[in-house]
Amino acid sequence: DAGVIQSPRHEVTEMGQEVTLRCKPISGHDYLFWYRQTMMRGLELLIYFNNNVPIDDSGMPEDRFSAKMPNASFSTLKIQPSEPRDSAVYFCASSPVDRDSKYEQYFGPGTRLTVT
Amino acid sequence: TQLLEQSPQFLSIQEGENLTVYCNSSSVFSSLQWYRQEPGEGPVLLVTVVTGGEVKKLKRLTFQFGDARKDSSLHITAAQPGDTGLYLCAGPPSGTYKYIFGTGTRLKVLA
Repeated sequence: DAGVIQSPRHEVTEMGQEVTLRCKPISGHDYLFWYRQTMMRGLELLIYFNNNVPIDDSGMPEDRFSAKMPNASFSTLKIQPSEPRDSAVYFCASSPVDRDSKYEQYFGPGTRLTVT
Repeated sequence: TQLLEQSPQFLSIQEGENLTVYCNSSSVFSSLQWYRQEPGEGPVLLVTVVTGGEVKKLKRLTFQFGDARKDSSLHITAAQPGDTGLYLCAGPPSGTYKYIFGTGTRLKVLA
């Protein structure tokens, strides 16, 4: 299995530009999560999907952030317009349907975003 | 606010020493996972504990879930430089699927 795939691995953009991060979850996993990691705040859950439907987006910091999951094998996280404080590593993770109360998550390699 | 507090925050030890990392909350969790993250990579799942009082071993790593399912610990015996990394506990509070990550413990094992 290829694992969770994220692209790009690194993104440098100027303030005000639109940024789109992409994720391909592990095949067969029903849950998909987007996280943001910074030194100051650690790992923060932004939004998660179940069967392509957004379930909880309370972690999305502002209206500038949006996420979609058009099908079971693809999700995007978009920031428009981007700001320097959005600089962080963004992770995508997927999880299989919980059968034994395990809730295990499998992470991609992350996208390091730098907004100048 | 449901939090997972980890201690210590930082730990630097010599190869061969033992150590314990703690993960505490005031909330009951359905399960707790432990992850290790290395620089430039995503967290990698080490283990899941589900039952109160459960103990799991993974080579030199021993994981325990508290009886009340509010806390967990990770004990490493005879630490090696390859154990260096950021250790994270995580899980969903009971009755939710809102996954929460602990504050993290950054471990450095010196050769």
